[in-house]
Amino acid sequence: AQKITQTQPGMFVQEKEAVTLDCTYDTSDQSYGLFWYKQPSSGEMIFLIYQGSYDEQNATEGRYSLNFQKARKSANLVISASQLGDSAMYFCAMREEETSGSRLTFGEGTQLTVNP
Amino acid sequence: EPEVTQTPSHQVTQMGQEVILRCVPISNHLYFYWYRQILGQKVEFLVSFYNNEISEKSEIFDDQFSVERPDGSNFTLKIRSTKLEDSAMYFCASNSAEQYFGPGTRLTVT
Repeated sequence: AQKITQTQPGMFVQEKEAVTLDCTYDTSDQSYGLFWYKQPSSGEMIFLIYQGSYDEQNATEGRYSLNFQKARKSANLVISASQLGDSAMYFCAMREEETSGSRLTFGEGTQLTVNP
Repeated sequence: EPEVTQTPSHQVTQMGQEVILRCVPISNHLYFYWYRQILGQKVEFLVSFYNNEISEKSEIFDDQFSVERPDGSNFTLKIRSTKLEDSAMYFCASNSAEQYFGPGTRLTVT
């Protein structure tokens, strides 16, 4: 069964607008962590933001915020004030058991294109 | 800012040859990982390593793969006899809490 689902293969946004990239997950664990990574065309995986399952508040890092809805099992990434450099592939990932040593399971990714 | 480093950035090898991919994790991290990403696909977990031993491995990580921490800084992935389908980007990662990835090694098997 798919543990991480990203239903948007591609998204387009105008520069300076906000965009939401969807991610839903499936786990029976009470304790888990959710991650978002950016992969530009150069190929590296850049850590963006992390949300722990017990965190009460949504995580924010600069222009990135994670809209965590635990009951819906969703962890959408919101990018505010999009920039041309935000054009990249974005991956949602989950670590079950919110301890440091567990593997990450990735979604299929969403290709974001920011238009000028 | 500390970062995970990987060498080489690109490796081309012939089918059946052995390759060693090298990684230097972030120095105070305790958990190390290898992932791979076949072109155009999602990132897949291969193996995790903690306290000088494998803590978890996926079904992809068969007998042709091995990992080693030969000294206090390096973490290597060896593929004994490469196959065409091993062509992929290989990422090393390490974490304390958040997991940070290296820039990857693009392996091409011809």
